[in-house]
Amino acid sequence: NAGVTQTPKFRILKIGQSMTLQCTQDMNHNYMYWYRQDPGMGLKLIYYSVGAGITDKGEVPNGYNVSRSTTEDFPLRLELAAPSQTSVYFCASSWEQGSHEQYFGPGTRLTVT
Amino acid sequence: LAKTTQPISMDSYEGQEVNITCSHNNIATNDYITWYQQFPSQGPRFIIQGYKTKVTNEVASLFIPADRKSSTLSLPRVSLSDTAVYYCLVGEGINYQLIWGAGTKLIIKP
Repeated sequence: NAGVTQTPKFRILKIGQSMTLQCTQDMNHNYMYWYRQDPGMGLKLIYYSVGAGITDKGEVPNGYNVSRSTTEDFPLRLELAAPSQTSVYFCASSWEQGSHEQYFGPGTRLTVT
Repeated sequence: LAKTTQPISMDSYEGQEVNITCSHNNIATNDYITWYQQFPSQGPRFIIQGYKTKVTNEVASLFIPADRKSSTLSLPRVSLSDTAVYYCLVGEGINYQLIWGAGTKLIIKP
């Protein structure tokens, strides 16, 4: 049972480039989330999903897109990378909405220059 | 919208009990209060969750007063390995607005 896995671990992008951050969970969780964490700061919710085919915006969705075609996968897409998107991105999953017991992946450290 | 406030940092010594308080005004009646621990270069890890009064597990206790406008994470007999950032999280179950605190950096000294 690998839990929540994320790829890549590190990435450097040039301004205007695009990329997809991958997230997979093997716990059969319905709920999945994408967060960003800037240096020395707390977590900000980008997007979340309550099940396959259902996604919704969080606090900071601008510049990102997501899809949820399966229960296991929840990729995050950056279309036109900007320096403001330099951050560490965490994916998480949980059983149910009422309980906020989330399981986090190891993170992807993204630098946009 | 609920907002959370935590101390930015705290220091303590090995073997002491540490209490970290989070204030959450406007928390809805159906919100859980959840606490996480985060080490550098890792994702947050769930510690404990509660709705009211007191919850205890093998690593921590969570105290929630009747008005639920705050919560206190209690770590008994801390060790150097408890040095980390601790976050409180509240949310609204129906609308799913997740509100994370800014985190409390706890430093344990020998």
